[in-house]
Amino acid sequence: SAVISQKPSRDICQRGTSLTIQCQVDSQVTMMFWYRQQPGQSLTLIATANQGSEATYESGFVIDKFPISRPNLTFSTLTVSNMSPEDSSIYLCSVEFRPRETQYFGPGTRLLVL
Amino acid sequence: GQQLNQSPQSMFIQEGEDVSMNCTSSSIFNTWLWYKQDPGEGPVLLIALYKAGELTSNGRLTAQFGITRKDSFLNISASIPSDVGIYFCAGRLNTGNQFYFGTGTSLTVIP
Repeated sequence: SAVISQKPSRDICQRGTSLTIQCQVDSQVTMMFWYRQQPGQSLTLIATANQGSEATYESGFVIDKFPISRPNLTFSTLTVSNMSPEDSSIYLCSVEFRPRETQYFGPGTRLLVL
Repeated sequence: GQQLNQSPQSMFIQEGEDVSMNCTSSSIFNTWLWYKQDPGEGPVLLIALYKAGELTSNGRLTAQFGITRKDSFLNISASIPSDVGIYFCAGRLNTGNQFYFGTGTSLTVIP
């Protein structure tokens, strides 16, 4: 497994602003992912964070709204841009080790947009 | 995207009772994962399954990879109050990297 930390743990933001969420892992991992969990809902994959190249986004998510960086094998950021109240969610970072296909999650960032 | 249906949606049980929940899909999956999420926390991995028919235990928890590869089951024996939370299944297809998550089962244990 891995120790995964996220910053901030929670934030309250104003409409129209942007927030960058950081994800740090204590060991090098093959894959890193960003998920969104809306209140009372399941998890939805936003994108796969690729080291050294552009992230791979899932249907319904675009780079302009959710820019992602992954400068190395232990760190990634997700920015939620030009926020609206509909962006209020928990944002979760996850990591995966290969060849064993298991994903571990960070504690999440709770975002409230007013 | 793929839809994983979990049932039941919620359960209210007495402490000491056994719990069963399942996850079904219309597609064939290569990997099944089961998670527990406590309020205000990220999901915690409970059990991982990689082979059709595989039965794996983790303490009082036992999960099975369905033979059809379209379903998975999680059982909790002798439930205790700290079992309270939301349980999610997740499955991965033969192609691609994405894990698709189930709709969740909310478990309440009454002391």
